Amino acid sequence: AQSVTQLDSHVSVSEGTPVLLRCNYSSSYSPSLFWYVQHPNKGLQLLLKYTSAATLVKGINGFEAEFKKSETSFHLTKPSAHMSDAAEYFCVVSTLERMEYGNKLVFGAGTILRVKS
Amino acid sequence: EAQVTQNPRYLITVTGKKLTVTCSQNMNHEYMSWYRQDPGLGLRQIYYSMNVEVTDKGDVPEGYKVSRKEKRNFPLILESPSPNQTSLYFCASSSLAGGQGVQETQYFGPGTRLLVL
Repeated sequence: AQSVTQLDSHVSVSEGTPVLLRCNYSSSYSPSLFWYVQHPNKGLQLLLKYTSAATLVKGINGFEAEFKKSETSFHLTKPSAHMSDAAEYFCVVSTLERMEYGNKLVFGAGTILRVKS
Repeated sequence: EAQVTQNPRYLITVTGKKLTVTCSQNMNHEYMSWYRQDPGLGLRQIYYSMNVEVTDKGDVPEGYKVSRKEKRNFPLILESPSPNQTSLYFCASSSLAGGQGVQETQYFGPGTRLLVL
């Protein structure tokens, strides 16, 4: 079975300081990994994705994530937080569970990021 | 404009009264999926569809039905809604790259907030 654990339900940072949102996954197969962001009362938007190419993935708005197979982690980072980064972030694993039906997506429980001025 | 639309956006109903939430995408995507979002649980997949007339259960299919008669539409049907189906529902779509069932980026609709009394 596949699973995703987001290690922090809430993270609070000051504007201009680094952001770290932690994600660990479990997968029986080679996974694809995603980070999505959800701003209040909005749908989900893709930040970045890993699909077995470079292990350091750069996304939109200055975010990046590093795939570490040995640690089964895919942590999301940003060097300097902006007020507009305040949102809920979801780590997602996509795995090829049944070839004829393609992938399923498994979402983490989410991490709410607060940015203080 | 490429988009996924859902209707209605907000719905209040009573236990047992059948309802349908529509989902439509204009990107010619093969893959469509329904999720429900509940606090602390992230998004959980209800049903998904790899193409017309091909659907399969996700992680929480009980109490829901879907159909995929046309490529662009993927309605979610609640035959007899119950209060535990009160939730925020998202429809999503993506293309299938490489013909091997690998999912690409999911595009999410704006969400439908359902309250069952």
